[in-house]
Amino acid sequence: GALVYQYPRRTICKSGTSMRMECQAVGFQATSVAWYRQSPQKTFELIALSTVNSAIKYEQNFTQEKFPISHPNLSFSSMTVLNAYLEDRGLYLCGARAPDTEVFFGKGTRLTVV
Amino acid sequence: QQKVQQSPESLIVPEGGMASLNCTFSDRNSQYFWWYRQHSGEGPKALMSIFSNGDKKEGRFTAHLNKASLHVSLHIKDSQPSDSALYFCAVGKGTNTGKLTFGDGTVLTVKP
Repeated sequence: GALVYQYPRRTICKSGTSMRMECQAVGFQATSVAWYRQSPQKTFELIALSTVNSAIKYEQNFTQEKFPISHPNLSFSSMTVLNAYLEDRGLYLCGARAPDTEVFFGKGTRLTVV
Repeated sequence: QQKVQQSPESLIVPEGGMASLNCTFSDRNSQYFWWYRQHSGEGPKALMSIFSNGDKKEGRFTAHLNKASLHVSLHIKDSQPSDSALYFCAVGKGTNTGKLTFGDGTVLTVKP
């Protein structure tokens, strides 16, 4: 079956430091990968969408300078949170899909900033 | 910009009862609609999708879509305690993009 693995599951970083999170698609080719942040109140924000053969598109309020993303092949993507501050905390979810399939989500990376 | 709103925010139903969750969206060009379920500590998992107006039934779950009224709903028949979770409506355009706009969710509690 199709699965998405995210790691680490949890991370704590000091304010002003950076952390990298990874997303691996297993059992399908992830032609499209979207990174979301789920707030403590459970609402979703789309950070950026990466589609094969297209530039990575960042949503308003999110920039490549703050959340650089790599999507080097059809099974892997990574995102870094640079200079993390309190407002960056939350559950970061990777949603990946092949054409005409549902979006498969990993269990997320929970970021705590101290 | 797409806005997706869900109601109610929370819902309590007795075991065996019917749970009805509602979702409205703002973009008339929306093409596909998903219901996701998220249990505590997990990522969201797709329950079912609906692309055409009308009803779609999968087991105890029935989704209903009315694009003209910008409304999609999910009905859970014979609710079980294991159905207790956070339910999200997700709306997208185009089948080859992973971009979904999520509602804020409905917390469903099924009381034994």
